[in-house]
Amino acid sequence: EPEVTQTPSHQVTQMGQEVILRCVPISNHLYFYWYRQILGQKVEFLVSFYNNEISEKSEIFDDQFSVERPDGSNFTLKIRSTKLEDSAMYFCASSRQGRTEAFFGQGTRLTVV
Amino acid sequence: AQSVTQLDSHVSVSEGTPVLLRCNYSSSYSPSLFWYVQHPNKGLQLLLKYTSAATLVKGINGFEAEFKKSETSFHLTKPSAHMSDAAEYFCVVNTNAGKSTFGDGTTLTVKP
Repeated sequence: EPEVTQTPSHQVTQMGQEVILRCVPISNHLYFYWYRQILGQKVEFLVSFYNNEISEKSEIFDDQFSVERPDGSNFTLKIRSTKLEDSAMYFCASSRQGRTEAFFGQGTRLTVV
Repeated sequence: AQSVTQLDSHVSVSEGTPVLLRCNYSSSYSPSLFWYVQHPNKGLQLLLKYTSAATLVKGINGFEAEFKKSETSFHLTKPSAHMSDAAEYFCVVNTNAGKSTFGDGTTLTVKP
């Protein structure tokens, strides 16, 4: 069964460093998303991406964040200068259409020290 | 704007007894609604979905949910809880563009 793949599963980085979280969405899906879940809190929307551009972003997704689909398969989230409060589980998701269900990856746990 | 409210942050049941996890939604148009489950240190797995077809939807692992427009509810049920059902459950509503808005989650505990 097709699935969304995220790498790495766990990333530790020093405050101020740049990190890139990687995702391979399901191949015939057209919509891509990033969410985050701070430990013990709800899952929060960060950004959606369709037709090679951001279609919607939340207040969390400030200038420190960027997304890219560098080729036909990968979808990345870059955090330019990490802060302690960026520590969270980051989930990538994809869906075939906007209103259909999103399929989530297993997440990348980002720890900023 | 769309939102979901999960009415219980914690639900505890005994193994073999019914499960009811409650969710109310708010949407300016016909919603797409979902339930996801998250086991400890795991990702989010889709349990079931409602996308304007049958109002009673069946999902995996014996779970069901009924869409009730008059009550703006989408409660999740299971006739008989199993120990492996212990997890965090999220009710989710989607926009037309696919953005998912999550509820706060309900922690289900199953006692032997």
